[in-house]
Amino acid sequence: GENVEQHPSTLSVQEGDSAVIKCTYSDSASNYFPWYKQELGKRPQLIIDIRSNVGEKKDQRIAVTLNKTAKHFSLHITETQPEDSAVYFCAAMDNNDMRFGAGTRLTVKP
Amino acid sequence: SAVISQKPSRDICQRGTSLTIQCQVDSQVTMMFWYRQQPGQSLTLIATANQGSEATYESGFVIDKFPISRPNLTFSTLTVSNMSPEDSSIYLCSVGKSETGYGYTFGSGTRLTVV
Repeated sequence: GENVEQHPSTLSVQEGDSAVIKCTYSDSASNYFPWYKQELGKRPQLIIDIRSNVGEKKDQRIAVTLNKTAKHFSLHITETQPEDSAVYFCAAMDNNDMRFGAGTRLTVKP
Repeated sequence: SAVISQKPSRDICQRGTSLTIQCQVDSQVTMMFWYRQQPGQSLTLIATANQGSEATYESGFVIDKFPISRPNLTFSTLTVSNMSPEDSSIYLCSVGKSETGYGYTFGSGTRLTVV
C-alpha cells in the first residue's frame, strides 16, 4: 500500500518568512495530493490540492508542487503570518485510498 | 463541500462498554470514511463505508471491534466496542467532494476517553 513520508516534523519561522514542507510517496499509481491544515482541537481543513496531471498550483500565499518522477510534492507558504501556525498534513490518494503523512507542526513567530 | 454533522463531540466511557458515533452529511455521497487520530498523531484510516455493502477495513481494524453501518447515502455510524483505555482517541468521519473522492471533508470529530 501507499506510504507517505513528511518532513520536517516541526518547523519554526519568523513572521514574513517562507515555509516549505515536503512529502514523498511510494505508490506511483497515486494521482491526487491534498494538503490539510489542522488547528488545535479542530478538524483537518483542506487548504490546497493537486492532481497528478499538474506540476504546480497556487492559491494566494500557498502553493503546491508535484514531481511525479521523483514521487515527491511540497507545500510552500509565503509571507507567513501567526495564524498560519498549525499542524499540516500531506496525503496521497489512489482509488479513494487516502494515506496521510505524519504531520508538520508549523510555528510562526511574530 | 459537503457539510458533515458528527456526534457526540466528546464522551467519557467506562471500559468494556460501547459507543456509537454518528455522521450525517447534507448531500448524498457514495463513500464515507472513518479515521482515528491519536493525540499528536496523524490520521489513520479505520474503514471505508459504502452504502449497500459491508465496510472495508484496514489492516489492524476488525469488524467485531469497529462495526460500521451505512443505511443510506447521507448517514453512517461507527461503534467502538468493548472499549479499553487504548481506544481513547479522536474519531473522525469524512466524505469526498464527489464520487471520485477528491477533496475530503472531515466531520468535527469525537473525542473519546475510556476510563
